[in-house]
Amino acid sequence: DAKTTQPPSMDCAEGRAANLPCNHSTISGNEYVYWYRQIHSQGPQYIIHGLKNNETNEMASLIITEDRKSSTLILPHATLRDTAVYYCIVRITFDYKLSFGAGTTVTVRA
Amino acid sequence: NAGVTQTPKFRVLKTGQSMTLLCAQDMNHEYMYWYRQDPGMGLRLIHYSVGEGTTAKGEVPDGYNVSRLKKQNFLLGLESAAPSQTSVYFCASTRTLLGDTQYFGPGTRLTVL
Repeated sequence: DAKTTQPPSMDCAEGRAANLPCNHSTISGNEYVYWYRQIHSQGPQYIIHGLKNNETNEMASLIITEDRKSSTLILPHATLRDTAVYYCIVRITFDYKLSFGAGTTVTVRA
Repeated sequence: NAGVTQTPKFRVLKTGQSMTLLCAQDMNHEYMYWYRQDPGMGLRLIHYSVGEGTTAKGEVPDGYNVSRLKKQNFLLGLESAAPSQTSVYFCASTRTLLGDTQYFGPGTRLTVL
């Protein structure tokens, strides 16, 4: 019962913005959108999360559509170190669990 | 501040052997989790704890036991290892459930022959 749909892979040129889409058409009003990434063989790393407003931090920006059925993670200036699997997760505020799908494998090329 | 640490980093077991994986966090987090990740797949929750002395089952608890005797430690036990338990195991912790992020350890790579 996957709650999110992401493309399996995408490439990005170093120095360019990487835009990672995520569909979550069944999201409910009390569910947040979280993004994590996992660099090869390491533990997942938190990137950003949001409810309905766009969010920005030092790593990325999160754009959530007005109907909240999809979102885009933006890495503004991708570097080779951003090569990783990126996971989009929807989660109820008080839910103990993060449900990881297959994610998007992002390869940043020089 | 070391964050979340896991011991050991690598282990090879024979079928039927037992072992314990240790997770430690120094952030005074209430909630701790054990996940496993099989090749090419996302993480799946094995067990979790909402506080010292408590444990609960996640998605794939069979074949594993856990204990949380101290707030900072969460132990994952395999009583009789099977090849199907070959995986990478990640521990995570979080302060509260109110939108807080989960912080992950570096993982333990376990092979069961």
